[in-house]
Amino acid sequence: DAGVIQSPRHEVTEMGQEVTLRCKPISGHNSLFWYRQTMMRGLELLIYFNNNVPIDDSGMPEDRFSAKMPNASFSTLKIQPSEPRDSAVYFCASSFDRGWGNTGELFFGEGSRLTVL
Amino acid sequence: GNSVTQMEGPVTLSEEAFLTINCTYTATGYPSLFWYVQYPGEGLQLLLKATKADDKGSNKGFEATYRKETTSFHLEKGSVQVSDSAVYFCALRRVPPEGNEKLTFGTGTRLTIIP
Repeated sequence: DAGVIQSPRHEVTEMGQEVTLRCKPISGHNSLFWYRQTMMRGLELLIYFNNNVPIDDSGMPEDRFSAKMPNASFSTLKIQPSEPRDSAVYFCASSFDRGWGNTGELFFGEGSRLTVL
Repeated sequence: GNSVTQMEGPVTLSEEAFLTINCTYTATGYPSLFWYVQYPGEGLQLLLKATKADDKGSNKGFEATYRKETTSFHLEKGSVQVSDSAVYFCALRRVPPEGNEKLTFGTGTRLTIIP
């Protein structure tokens, strides 16, 4: 079975450019999460969706960041304009959350490493 | 709110040594508890989980027991191998029907095993 698929795996861009990261969750999963990992701040939740609806976006750093989930099989995280401090590894994760009997584990993609020069 | 406190690293052990990485948590209700592992250059993988008090999660020789009375979920392994070198994250999540929340991570513990 395919896991969570992220693209691109690596992105190098210049300050001021727009960056779009993409995620395909595991088929059938109904929750999707975007995390950012840096040495200084560790793992931070940016936003998560349930049934394609944003539930908690309190971790989105500022207006330069936006995320969408137009359907159950695709999500994007966009940074515009990008800045050097946005350099990090961005992880997408998905889970299957139902009314009862959840275990709650998240399945992570391999990450997108972003470098902003 | 929810929080996870785990043992500060880095931890360096010799091969075949006994491993304990401490993890305690603060949460209301009965969250699910997890240990995730991140090998160099890779994403996070679920190592083990426990969903209710006194449950023991186990995988690849690692174990952790959900202790409600001490709000702990310590990770143990009897004999570590070089291939266990990685960063280990303790995490919790309240899930339906109690809530539908994010996964809250500890800061991670970097483990290095030397031959």
